[in-house]
Amino acid sequence: AQSVTQLDSHVSVSEGTPVLLRCNYSSSYSPSLFWYVQHPNKGLQLLLKYTSAATLVKGINGFEAEFKKSETSFHLTKPSAHMSDAAEYFCVVSDLGAAGNKLTFGGGTRVLVKP
Amino acid sequence: EPEVTQTPSHQVTQMGQEVILRCVPISNHLYFYWYRQILGQKVEFLVSFYNNEISEKSEIFDDQFSVERPDGSNFTLKIRSTKLEDSAMYFCASSEGQWLNEQFFGPGTRLTVL
Repeated sequence: AQSVTQLDSHVSVSEGTPVLLRCNYSSSYSPSLFWYVQHPNKGLQLLLKYTSAATLVKGINGFEAEFKKSETSFHLTKPSAHMSDAAEYFCVVSDLGAAGNKLTFGGGTRVLVKP
Repeated sequence: EPEVTQTPSHQVTQMGQEVILRCVPISNHLYFYWYRQILGQKVEFLVSFYNNEISEKSEIFDDQFSVERPDGSNFTLKIRSTKLEDSAMYFCASSEGQWLNEQFFGPGTRLTVL
């Protein structure tokens, strides 16, 4: 069975400072890992995905994440937060080959960016 | 840019009534999904659908739920007799293929059961 834990339900940063959103996962097979972002009244948008290629994955809007198998982590970072980064972020796992391609979501981290 | 759309954005219904939530997936996508998020809880998988049949469903997806692709564009989720605990945000998603393919999500339908 697969599961995801996002260690912070809320993160508050100042504009221009780094952002770190923490995610740990458990998976029975080879996992695919994703980060999705949800802005108010919008659908979930894919930021980046890891699918067993390079462990450091670059995504849109300057975000990146590093897959660390030994730590079962997939933390999301951005060097410099922008006001437009205020949103909710979801870490998601999918077991490669799992029937139905279902995604398992973490609880979400709400990011507040202060001017 | 193509996107998944959902209607209505908000649905209010009485307990015991049937509701149909509608989704228009991206046109060349072949795999379709429903997820839901009860307020304050995680987004949960409900069902996946491919080639006009259910690929997988969760334990939430009981006999009260059904999905259908009635024509070439719509993908619907029906709840036969709504319960209070069905109140949630329901997200539709679609993907071109399986596993490594991104699932594109709609904006959601907020269902409120009174």
